[in-house]
Amino acid sequence: QSALTQPASVSGSPGQSITISCTGTSSDVGGYNYVSWYQQHPGKAPKLVIYDVSNRPSGISNRFSGSKSGDTASLTISGLQPEDEADYYCNSYRSSRTFVFGTGTKVTVL
Amino acid sequence: QVQLVESGGGVVQPGGSLRLSCAASGFTFSAYAMHWVRQAPGKGLEWVAIMPYDGTTKYYADSVRGRFTISRDNSKNTLYLQMNSLRAEDTAVYYCARRISGYNYGLDYWGQGTLVTVSS
Repeated sequence: QSALTQPASVSGSPGQSITISCTGTSSDVGGYNYVSWYQQHPGKAPKLVIYDVSNRPSGISNRFSGSKSGDTASLTISGLQPEDEADYYCNSYRSSRTFVFGTGTKVTVL
Repeated sequence: QVQLVESGGGVVQPGGSLRLSCAASGFTFSAYAMHWVRQAPGKGLEWVAIMPYDGTTKYYADSVRGRFTISRDNSKNTLYLQMNSLRAEDTAVYYCARRISGYNYGLDYWGQGTLVTVSS
């Protein structure tokens, strides 16, 4: 079960917007609207920031937004803040009734 | 408030077994599907297994299928992961996580994790 592909790192200055991509196949990202995104700070458990491609859980800033086009999902963080510096992972349902995470992206706030 | 607390991690020799537990509180445990996710030291997240709310069909990652068994006891509000034939590559922090309610998908609450080390 190969992982979804994410860029290893993305960086931006405070106030800027960044976008993290998550590329899969028609058997996962492209075939279902079950894509979610997680933020993980060092030594902490992951935190859900987007579910079902573009929905934000209660309490998550509207600076976080998600979208999908074909086999690629994206997470955009607008108005980048120092506390956004973390690792981010996408996750998708797969046609084999399993789930798969992305390779992870380290976001650095310059 | 929703709480998930994992336990049962430790050091085990290759080929050995371990059972992890995840004690849930603050919500109706029997109404939610639950997952196990792991993270090897310095590595990314890896999905391990899913347990539906009613304990019916369970699904596993290829890397653990046939060796790990997920189960739940709704009367005890507890999720389990029985891990057999452990390998060095199973060394990781193991998290239990709750699937968001309804027909949506996302893991909205996570435990703090329990570390499993497979080493001789």
